[in-house]
Amino acid sequence: ETGVTQTPRHLVMGMTNKKSLKCEQHLGHNAMYWYKQSAKKPLELMFVYNFKEQTENNSVPSRFSPECPNSSHLFLHLHTLQPEDSALYLCASSRDRDTDTQYFGPGTRLTVL
Amino acid sequence: AQSVAQPEDQVNVAEGNPLTVKCTYSVSGNPYLFWYVQYPNRGLQFLLKYITGDNLVKGSYGFEAEFNKSQTSFHLKKPSALVSDSALYFCAVRAQTGGFKTIFGAGTRLFVKA
Repeated sequence: ETGVTQTPRHLVMGMTNKKSLKCEQHLGHNAMYWYKQSAKKPLELMFVYNFKEQTENNSVPSRFSPECPNSSHLFLHLHTLQPEDSALYLCASSRDRDTDTQYFGPGTRLTVL
Repeated sequence: AQSVAQPEDQVNVAEGNPLTVKCTYSVSGNPYLFWYVQYPNRGLQFLLKYITGDNLVKGSYGFEAEFNKSQTSFHLKKPSALVSDSALYFCAVRAQTGGFKTIFGAGTRLFVKA
């Protein structure tokens, strides 16, 4: 195990639902990341938090809303998603943003109906 | 702008044979280079990285990678493949100065046949 946990592991939701993905790291890291992994596409960085502050938002649609209440927890709030948002959502952490060896959680497999 | 290319979607190799997974990159200045592996239903796991120094980097599970600045490549290698090495491999690059974004390649699926 990498020390990064994600829940739920699988999620099926309708386009009108609201749900949240949770990530927790037990490594004492200061930076946390959300990625989207779609089949046969490069890993897409969505958001970066460093010391609880958002430092990067890669033009992610507003239907994805991140929250980082402390350095150990990261959430991704979802609402009115589209079927093309179905993917594996990966959370990662690193000791700091500059060191950048990232430790990944197992991901949440999201299916939007 | 930074970019990374993994020119092969899939690599097939027989168990016991050497394997190479290719990666080329483009970055302003000196790069940080990484390899990660993803097993089914798992997140990415760090294998190795190049920061500076010796161009040959040794990592986990017997893997190594060679940084070639003139060819802007960072190919992943292993002298003798195992069936258990079958997985999805990602190369990643980040510039040492300027922006801090790590860019991942599309991944190369490695199949090792017994």
